Amino acid sequence: KAGVTQTPRYLIKTRGQQVTLSCSPISGHRSVSWYQQTPGQGLQFLFEYFSETQRNKGNFPGRFSGRQFSNSRSEMNVSTLELGDSALYLCASSLGGLHQPQHFGDGTRLSIL
Amino acid sequence: DQQVKQNSPSLSVQEGRISILNCDYTNSMFDYFLWYKKYPAEGPTFLISISSIKDKNEDGRFTVFLNKSAKHLSLHIVPSQPGDSAVYFCAASIPPNTDKLIFGTGTRLQVFP
Repeated sequence: KAGVTQTPRYLIKTRGQQVTLSCSPISGHRSVSWYQQTPGQGLQFLFEYFSETQRNKGNFPGRFSGRQFSNSRSEMNVSTLELGDSALYLCASSLGGLHQPQHFGDGTRLSIL
Repeated sequence: DQQVKQNSPSLSVQEGRISILNCDYTNSMFDYFLWYKKYPAEGPTFLISISSIKDKNEDGRFTVFLNKSAKHLSLHIVPSQPGDSAVYFCAASIPPNTDKLIFGTGTRLQVFP
């Protein structure tokens, strides 16, 4: 059974640009959630999508947005990039949501110059 | 405001001994707790979970203990093996109507021969 796939693995952008990250969940999983990992901050929850609807949202500015498609694949978009957005962005999927163990992808490492 | 805290950033244990990783939380509404293990360049992997209606859950070498009155949970690994060397994150979930998954900042475990 294929795991969670995130693309691209690495990305370099400059301040002010925007970026789109992609996540393909495990087949059959309807919940996709996104996290930001930075040194010293652990994993911080961005948002969760379930059946194409954003169901939960963390405390991030509106520059961070996402969507989920009918096949459960999800994208995360960050606009007007700032230096502080440099981080590892992780996507996770589960059958029913955040009350179940999450299956993580290997992440996208975003570097802002 | 860090609602889930792992106060030990690192832990070093000899192979064969017990590893005890600790996690404290501040929100008494958390009702589901999980532990994840993360190797470098990989996404976190689910290890073990516990519901707030229990005080102990065991899975092979891994046991999680929950002390609700102290708002404290711990992960015991017995016996520790070199392959257990990784960063361990605890996470807590709030009931569905405000469903979020809050992670601690992680503890780096090193198991030496």
